[in-house]
Amino acid sequence: QVQLVQSGVEVKKPGASVKVACKTSGYTFTRYGLNWVRQAPGQGLEWMGYIRPYNGDTDYEQKFQGRLTMTTDTSTSTVYMELRGLTSDDTAIYFCARDMTYPVKGAFDIWGQGTMVTVSS
Amino acid sequence: DIQMTQSPSSLSASVGDRVTITCRASQSIDYFLNWYQQKPGRAPKLLIYAASSLQSGVPSRFSGSGSGTHFSLTINSLQPEDFATYFCQQSYTSPVSSFGQGTNLEIK
Repeated sequence: QVQLVQSGVEVKKPGASVKVACKTSGYTFTRYGLNWVRQAPGQGLEWMGYIRPYNGDTDYEQKFQGRLTMTTDTSTSTVYMELRGLTSDDTAIYFCARDMTYPVKGAFDIWGQGTMVTVSS
Repeated sequence: DIQMTQSPSSLSASVGDRVTITCRASQSIDYFLNWYQQKPGRAPKLLIYAASSLQSGVPSRFSGSGSGTHFSLTINSLQPEDFATYFCQQSYTSPVSSFGQGTNLEIK
């Protein structure tokens, strides 16, 4: 079945970087875009960015420009999200989510289980 | 940026009730509006896409309506498993996207 499986819990110091993996399976990797969404403790959902696995093109939320990078590894059908310059405000659960693409773009039909990232000195 | 505003922020209801959650966009988004359900400690789950299309496997007691700037999610005959947080999301500017702040549906 279609699955997105994310890497495990991360604990980082302020100023550090984190790289979260999202391994996909059960569908053709290059046919669907992938999004990253985060959720701070007790808060709502925040869209971070999108990557097109077939060519690696990305779109990032403006507030993350300059410290967010999304990449893909087509050999393992995995998407990566790297966030640099971490502060306590980046403490959140990070989700990858597949864009359903058809019949409409922009709805997220499959989600990873989430990766908790804690930033603390 | 398109801002999404949900109301109410929280809602108490009983099993068997009919509830409606609304979502307003700061500008017209046609029908590019999606609804998600999230339970504690879990990832969100897509319920409704394109304002009114029911995602595969979602019970028919869930329905969505609206277009332009005003949208609603209705749950008929609430079941115990429906108590959760609900989010709307605009995909008019896809791939750039934004979510409402969420509505917490609690048992009365």
